[in-house]
Amino acid sequence: ETGVTQTPRHLVMGMTNKKSLKCEQHLGHNAMYWYKQSAKKPLELMFVYSLEERVENNSVPSRFSPECPNSSHLFLHLHTLQPEDSALYLCASSQEVTSSYEQYFGPGTRLTVT
Amino acid sequence: DAKTTQPNSMESNEEEPVHLPCNHSTISGTDYIHWYRQLPSQGPEYVIHGLTSNVNNRMASLAIAEDRKSSTLILHRATLRDAAVYYCILREPDWTGGYNKLIFGAGTRLAVHP
Repeated sequence: ETGVTQTPRHLVMGMTNKKSLKCEQHLGHNAMYWYKQSAKKPLELMFVYSLEERVENNSVPSRFSPECPNSSHLFLHLHTLQPEDSALYLCASSQEVTSSYEQYFGPGTRLTVT
Repeated sequence: DAKTTQPNSMESNEEEPVHLPCNHSTISGTDYIHWYRQLPSQGPEYVIHGLTSNVNNRMASLAIAEDRKSSTLILHRATLRDAAVYYCILREPDWTGGYNKLIFGAGTRLAVHP
């Protein structure tokens, strides 16, 4: 499945580093999402974008900064992360943000903060 | 979103049918029942969804109880590739004004034996 791609697939960063995660969807969708999946915990919704406009920020710390320059691309900028931020970060897209269309997920970026 | 309850794990043999249960006793009259699954090292993928009537697609069947307080995802012939975590999720319809939220629980981890 190549509808939603994420890069890099794996990332190791120190607590003082700045890095960015990239997501691209080739499905012509208008809504994009970031989720976090920590070990032993359910997926948590972080951010929702509709037509490049953020419509939900789910109480995420400011060390995570999303950016959606167009409806096909979504970034998650990371700075001064903590070891507990180590997780699988998943990007998803859907036709619209308010419809009941299914979400399509990317393979995720496995992030390790040292 | 209303809560769902699923068994933590289930096992099946290859080529046999699998019935994955989900209880949602507090479901509202307009909530849709969605199923996603997450294969190892991948993002979740949509499986099926329904409202009141049973539904079939190429991946699975969804049987919904008459009172809608429970549902069952049916894999007609399990394959090794079906080993995954299966999530049962309730979603509000568009007109409630909610975003296209997916709230994941712990799901059911399905093991398929050769």
